[in-house]
Amino acid sequence: GAVVSQHPSRVICKSGTSVKIECRSLDFQATTMFWYRQFPKKSLMLMATSNEGSKATYEQGVEKDKFLINHASLTLSTLTVTSAHPEDSSFYICSASPGTVDNEQFFGPGTRLTVL
Amino acid sequence: GEDVEQSLFLSVREGDSSVINCTYTDSSSTYLYWYKQEPGAGLQLLTYIFSNMDMKQDQRLTVLLNKKDKHLSLRIADTQTGDSAIYFCAETLPGTALIFGKGTTLSVSS
Repeated sequence: GAVVSQHPSRVICKSGTSVKIECRSLDFQATTMFWYRQFPKKSLMLMATSNEGSKATYEQGVEKDKFLINHASLTLSTLTVTSAHPEDSSFYICSASPGTVDNEQFFGPGTRLTVL
Repeated sequence: GEDVEQSLFLSVREGDSSVINCTYTDSSSTYLYWYKQEPGAGLQLLTYIFSNMDMKQDQRLTVLLNKKDKHLSLRIADTQTGDSAIYFCAETLPGTALIFGKGTTLSVSS
């Protein structure tokens, strides 16, 4: 089946540093990838939609200069949290869709970001 | 607005059936999903149903869809302790992101 990986799975960083999270579709091409953020005991909130070769579409309230998304190829999207602060600590999950008829999206295992 | 509603908690005994309910708001949603999330892990797709279906069964899982009431349910037969997790329902239109409910925490006691 389709596999999506995320790297790193867990990262701890100091306040003010930038962190890059990679999302890769390992065995299929994904023209669209989605980035979600999950707060403790909360649902997943869509942050942005990432289309290969074009600018990401950000949801209302998500700062595009803070959360930089790059979708350089059909198998890789990156999310960079710039100048991270403790309130950015969260679980970040990406998903990718191969564009099949059932619209299935495959989720990565998530990245736990802790900003000290 | 777009809100997917779920009850937050469900507690059952091992061997019983579990029914998790979900109400969605967008009648034009064409795909409805159930995802499972175990502690500290990502999301695992359990099953999905296309909006022109009323029911889908997959081993111990039964999904019922009442499109008129915008109500979706997931029934887990013979619930096991390994089924303890958070279950999310989600709705979507083709090519768009999923809209998730807040998740139902299922606790299975032996």
